[in-house]
Amino acid sequence: DTGVSQDPRHKITKRGQNVTFRCDPISEHNRLYWYRQTLGQGPEFLTYFQNEAQLEKSRLLSDRFSAERPKGSFSTLEIQRTEQGDSAMYLCASSPYGTNTEAFFGQGTRLTVV
Amino acid sequence: AQSVTQLGSHVSVSEGALVLLRCNYSSSVPPYLFWYVQYPNQGLQLLLKYTSAATLVKGINGFEAEFKKSETSFHLTKPSAHMSDAAEYFCAVTFKAAGNKLTFGGGTRVLVKP
Repeated sequence: DTGVSQDPRHKITKRGQNVTFRCDPISEHNRLYWYRQTLGQGPEFLTYFQNEAQLEKSRLLSDRFSAERPKGSFSTLEIQRTEQGDSAMYLCASSPYGTNTEAFFGQGTRLTVV
Repeated sequence: AQSVTQLGSHVSVSEGALVLLRCNYSSSVPPYLFWYVQYPNQGLQLLLKYTSAATLVKGINGFEAEFKKSETSFHLTKPSAHMSDAAEYFCAVTFKAAGNKLTFGGGTRVLVKP
């Protein structure tokens, strides 16, 4: 298994455009998480899925953000009408079901909104 | 609600010297605690985790951390710093009913001087 994979690694977009990121978790993991990390800060939780069900969304996830995990496999995070404040690293992680199990992180997608 | 405070956003150590990174948490329920390391433009890699078993936890690359409930702390140490330890380190907390959603501290960047 190659770990958590994120695509693209880098994205530069103009303000107002829509962007979509993809995350492929470790295949046997049924939990998938999205975090956002701005420069010099720790990652902040955005949302998570257990299989295909989105179980929790942070208040950080405005209505311009939407995440899906069809069929409980890969996940997409879409940002509509991007703003400069959306510039950040978007991290995806996956873990098996269970308490205190390790979350494995992808390398992230760095978004720059110009 | 949980929170994590990492004292010192930057730490500079000499090669061969002790590395000490401080983490204090706040949680109304028994916590599970983690230390992650992040190299530039990379995702996060787990160093070690506390899951209510032994209070002294050993991790990868010679790191260890001690859970002290009375001090609500989970400080990370390494007896002898190596140049390859230069990175950013994040302390994180979760708890049993949180679905392994992590709350991170702000991070500590470690610089190792030759």
